[in-house]
Amino acid sequence: DADVTQTPRNRITKTGKRIMLECSQTKGHDRMYWYRQDPGLGLRLIYYSFDVKDINKGEISDGYSVSRQAQAKFSLSLESAIPNQTALYFCATSDLSFDEQFFGPGTRLTVL
Amino acid sequence: KNEVEQSPQNLTAQEGEFITINCSYSVGISALHWLQQHPGGGIVSLFMLSSGKKKHGRLIATINIQEKHSSLHITASHPRDSAVYICAVRFGNDMRFGAGTRLTVKP
Repeated sequence: DADVTQTPRNRITKTGKRIMLECSQTKGHDRMYWYRQDPGLGLRLIYYSFDVKDINKGEISDGYSVSRQAQAKFSLSLESAIPNQTALYFCATSDLSFDEQFFGPGTRLTVL
Repeated sequence: KNEVEQSPQNLTAQEGEFITINCSYSVGISALHWLQQHPGGGIVSLFMLSSGKKKHGRLIATINIQEKHSSLHITASHPRDSAVYICAVRFGNDMRFGAGTRLTVKP
């Protein structure tokens, strides 16, 4: 089984809908991250969490929120999806802060 | 201006060729990462380095902190090396990524 899993893998939704992307890990890591990837722009950090009680904004947090339900689970929410949030979303984990990261398979989100 | 610039954007090579991908950055960093993104989209960490050189199999990564530059070399390239290679830098509690270099190795 994969160490870092993301659900759903693909999602098509409409403008204004609330969407939650989920990430689970079995690596036992405290550090978890959410990134989005857009063609030609590379990955950008949305939020990161160093432990269950620690949540921090990244470079592009506007329009997103997160919840760290447990050491193993880190969810990303789009409260009211808009078309420019169409992207590939990756969750990642690491043992030490911003150290070697282990990525989930990604969620392809399309907002119509 | 992006803090992390990679070159080239696209690279096509014949099997067996020596490959070099470059990464330049404009901020003071604590570490630099090289990642590989497979055609299916999955991302794997290849190296993390803050000085000198690291080697893993046919892959070699170097960094020059003074010049704010890193290179990823692939020796004896193979079609299975075809992927997007991504450079990323850590500064403070932030990560910035290059746009990636798409490598295609032809048999």
